[in-house]
Amino acid sequence: DAGVTQSPTHLIKTRGQQVTLRCSPKSGHDTVSWYQQALGQGPQFIFQYYEEEERQRGNFPDRFSGHQFPNYSSELNVNALLLGDSALYLCASSFGQGTGYTFGSGTRLTVV
Amino acid sequence: GENVEQHPSTLSVQEGDSAVIKCTYSDSASNYFPWYKQELGKRPQLIIDIRSNVGEKKDQRIAVTLNKTAKHFSLHITETQPEDSAVYFCAAREPPDSWGKLQFGAGTQVVVTP
Repeated sequence: DAGVTQSPTHLIKTRGQQVTLRCSPKSGHDTVSWYQQALGQGPQFIFQYYEEEERQRGNFPDRFSGHQFPNYSSELNVNALLLGDSALYLCASSFGQGTGYTFGSGTRLTVV
Repeated sequence: GENVEQHPSTLSVQEGDSAVIKCTYSDSASNYFPWYKQELGKRPQLIIDIRSNVGEKKDQRIAVTLNKTAKHFSLHITETQPEDSAVYFCAAREPPDSWGKLQFGAGTQVVVTP
């Protein structure tokens, strides 16, 4: 049973560039949430997708955008990267509003 | 929105002793409280959770208690082992109309010394 898969695992980008992170949810899950985890901190909610729509958004600027595809996979896009965007980006999947979050291993983004 | 505070930020215990981590939340309508364990460089993994209609839940050496009146919940680990060393996060799910958004605490670094 495949869990949540994220790609790439690591990424180094230059300030001002754009990045796309990808997530495939656990089999049977239809909801994808994205979190940013800075070093030494708890995950911070970015947004959540269900039925290809953004259902809720956290306190992140419009530079952060996303998409969900018909197969439930999702992308997180960040434009005009800042040094402060360096973090571990976690994708979590669940079924509907179900409580069973499963996290992926994350993408470590470093902005230089 | 929901705000979750977690204490302590670090916890050192001797192997075999108990560890307790406490969290408070702000929104009385929050109804689901999971705990995650994150080992260095790995994904957060759900270790136990509790719903607002339950006061206590146990799973082997791990237990969670919830006090809705005081708006706090705690993680209890008994007979700690070196493999319990990790960062533990509590979280609270905002009211049902918020599509399951989880608000996390800042984490507790637990170190179990042999």
